[in-house]
Amino acid sequence: GAVVSQHPSRVICKSGTSVKIECRSLDFQATTMFWYRQFPKQSLMLMATSNEGSKATYEQGVEKDKFLINHASLTLSTLTVTSAHPEDSSFYICSARDRAGGDTGELFFGEGSRLTVL
Amino acid sequence: GQNIDQPTEMTATEGAIVQINCTYQTSGFNGLFWYQQHAGEAPTFLSYNVLDGLEEKGRFSSFLSRSKGYSYLLLKELQMKDSAYYLCAVIDSNYQLIWGAGTKLIIKP
Repeated sequence: GAVVSQHPSRVICKSGTSVKIECRSLDFQATTMFWYRQFPKQSLMLMATSNEGSKATYEQGVEKDKFLINHASLTLSTLTVTSAHPEDSSFYICSARDRAGGDTGELFFGEGSRLTVL
Repeated sequence: GQNIDQPTEMTATEGAIVQINCTYQTSGFNGLFWYQQHAGEAPTFLSYNVLDGLEEKGRFSSFLSRSKGYSYLLLKELQMKDSAYYLCAVIDSNYQLIWGAGTKLIIKP
């Protein structure tokens, strides 16, 4: 099946620094990528929808200036957590939809990135 | 508003069968996904239903009734490794994915 690579898988940073997480579709083109945040024992919380070549659409309550999303190509989207604080510590997961599958195509998930802010 | 309901937690015995239900009220419908997620890992795809009926895939089957806004995931011959969260998600008329809160399935020996 299609592979989505997410990097880094784990990152520990100091409060106030910025962290970038990459999401790559390795063997397909993804016009749409999704970024989720997940707290322990809870379901996925959609943060934003990223479309190639356009601005991301953020869910209500998600700070655009805090969580910068860039989808510069059909295979790469990045999430930057700016001026990270301990409350930003979480599991961040990306998913990508195969362009060939259209709007109802299967989502392929990255492995997730665990962010710990000290 | 849009809503997807799943049981919070279920317990079953190794070797048995379990059915996880999902009911939805969404603005339109363009398909329903089931995903499995183990703690600390990303979700993995299990099934996609867009037409009414039962889709069987090995030990896992998924059923959909669009008129009732209802789906279930059936797991047979349960194994300990099936202990996980099971997520139901619906694609609405705007092709937005609406996620359920997930069902924690606990398998006991």
